Amino acid sequence: AQSVTQPDIHITVSEGASLELRCNYSYGATPYLFWYVQSPGQGLQLLLKYFSGDTLVQGIKGFEAEFKRSQSSFNLRKPSVHWSDAAEYFCAAHNNAGNMLTFGGGTRLMVKP
Amino acid sequence: EAGVTQFPSHSVIEKGQTVTLRCDPISGHDNLYWYRRVMGKEIKFLLHFVKESKQDESGMPNNRFLAERTGGTYSTLKVQPAELEDSGVYFCASSHSTVTPSYEQYFGPGTRLTVT
Repeated sequence: AQSVTQPDIHITVSEGASLELRCNYSYGATPYLFWYVQSPGQGLQLLLKYFSGDTLVQGIKGFEAEFKRSQSSFNLRKPSVHWSDAAEYFCAAHNNAGNMLTFGGGTRLMVKP
Repeated sequence: EAGVTQFPSHSVIEKGQTVTLRCDPISGHDNLYWYRRVMGKEIKFLLHFVKESKQDESGMPNNRFLAERTGGTYSTLKVQPAELEDSGVYFCASSHSTVTPSYEQYFGPGTRLTVT
């Protein structure tokens, strides 16, 4: 079955520190991959996406993600976290035969001053 | 351009009652999706409309859930009768293309449903 896994439920980092949120997928073929962020009271906002090509993709708000086929991973990174990055982050995927997104369980990020 | 809107933002009902959630997609988006996040679980797909037609409703949990999309514009999701396990956040999303698979879905803020 197709699945997306985010191993970390909660992560706390200090403001200014680097961040990496993990995402692993299990699909028959390479899916299309996404990272979304949900701030309190807001909807899910798309941070970045990977369809094909360059395996390092840049997104909004200074985020980037690297697709690694050998590890079935699509980890999200940011070199320096800001307090406003505190939110819940979701990795998602779908294959090109269907339209529904499959989500990971989410990672809640807390930022210490 | 207005984003995806959902109403209400929060609904508290008693077990056995009926609730109707509404979603207004981005104007011009033919694809409309419903997802649900039950407490502590991942966000799960419920169904997908292309215009007014149900393209995929494989995620609908049971026949207490009824989704409609009149005229291919806004959509409603009715839960009747509501059960305790229906509590969660219901998200709506929309996307543009109907010709090719639509990769980017734009989400609304969600409706938090609490069944007591």
